[in-house]
Amino acid sequence: AQKITQTQPGMFVQEKEAVTLDCTYDTSDPSYGLFWYKQPSSGEMIFLIYQGSYDQQNATEGRYSLNFQKARKSANLVISASQLGDSAMYFCAMRAKGGGFKTIFGAGTRLFVKA
Amino acid sequence: AAGVIQSPRHLIKEKRETATLKCYPIPRHDTVYWYQQGPGQDPQFLISFYEKMQSDKGSIPDRFSAQQFSDYHSELNMSSLELGDSALYFCASSIRLAGGQETQYFGPGTRLLVL
Repeated sequence: AQKITQTQPGMFVQEKEAVTLDCTYDTSDPSYGLFWYKQPSSGEMIFLIYQGSYDQQNATEGRYSLNFQKARKSANLVISASQLGDSAMYFCAMRAKGGGFKTIFGAGTRLFVKA
Repeated sequence: AAGVIQSPRHLIKEKRETATLKCYPIPRHDTVYWYQQGPGQDPQFLISFYEKMQSDKGSIPDRFSAQQFSDYHSELNMSSLELGDSALYFCASSIRLAGGQETQYFGPGTRLLVL
């Protein structure tokens, strides 16, 4: 069975500081992709970053980076230099090749950025 | 760049009524997905289509059906609506890239309220 676990229901970070949002996953499939999405209060789901299971390097997209530790099955999202606009719900998600086309999501972490 | 379009953005229905949600994927994307996100919940996969054929099925009630048309737009039909169907319904689309990466881009969602 495939599973995504986000253990932090809520996080606070001071503006301009970095923050790490935790994500662990479980799959027996050797081929999988990991995603992070941001969902602001307006409701839309915004793609942030992708990491493939065979990728040798950690993914980075601007202020977002994914700390991929395959042996520990973790895919933490690091946001550097937090901005007030980063306040949102963040979902970690996974699609495994054996799971077909479905993507499973974690429960999410709500990030609050303080001025 | 063009994004995923969903209509309507908001919909209010009464119990036992029917509803049809529409999704227009990003041009040249070959796969469409539907998700349901209840209040305070993570998105749950409902169903997906690849090249106009159903490719995977998740926790979609029998009262719901969906299809993808020749122009690649998709419709989610919901009948005998129940109060518990009130949720945000996302459509996402993707295209398989070299190396197997397949990032899903989400539409803005349709917020359905069943009274």
